[in-house]
Amino acid sequence: EAQVTQNPRYLITVTGKKLTVTCSQNMNHEYMSWYRQDPGLGLRQIYYSMNVEVTDKGDVPEGYKVSRKEKRNFPLILESPSPNQTSLYFCASSLWVSGELFFGEGSRLTVL
Amino acid sequence: AQSVTQLGSHVSVSEGALVLLRCNYSSSVPPYLFWYVQYPNQGLQLLLKYTTGATLVKGINGFEAEFKKSETSFHLTKPSAHMSDAAEYFCAVSDGTGTASKLTFGTGTRLQVTL
Repeated sequence: EAQVTQNPRYLITVTGKKLTVTCSQNMNHEYMSWYRQDPGLGLRQIYYSMNVEVTDKGDVPEGYKVSRKEKRNFPLILESPSPNQTSLYFCASSLWVSGELFFGEGSRLTVL
Repeated sequence: AQSVTQLGSHVSVSEGALVLLRCNYSSSVPPYLFWYVQYPNQGLQLLLKYTTGATLVKGINGFEAEFKKSETSFHLTKPSAHMSDAAEYFCAVSDGTGTASKLTFGTGTRLQVTL
């Protein structure tokens, strides 16, 4: 089954404790992206990747890091989480950069 | 830069009534336009998209949208609402050049369907 898998789905952590949200897709997509969803703000892009070893900032990259060492994986790293990073995070992938995005089910992160 | 405006953060309709969700965009180049739907506790999934060609686009679950260049709009409609249509709907625009372009999403419209 074609899918984008994110883990963990739910996480509560404390300020400053490094965490990684993993994302994996099994569709051989070149393009992958991370979004955060906040009430009233819709989805905002954090980082995206056009292919292996090619990443770029989105609209709200501050406080986040990403890497793309393999085509299928695109982890999101929060080196020192802060409460304003409490949000619902989505990973998405696409065969074509402006085509249909396939989304994971989301990761709800709470930073205390 | 491109942008999307969705008028109305919440829309309520009766079951069987017409659904109309509004989306206006701005783009300096011919846009690619999308509607995504998000059901509770799920990720987004594509409802329909416009790239080129026919301006009336049909999607899944009986939804359709019409690209109107003169009005810079891409409103989503469904003739008869069903309870299962209750969800959040996002309009998105892309410049479609394929070179580091990316989707810009609207802030979403939550559709409530009442009996």
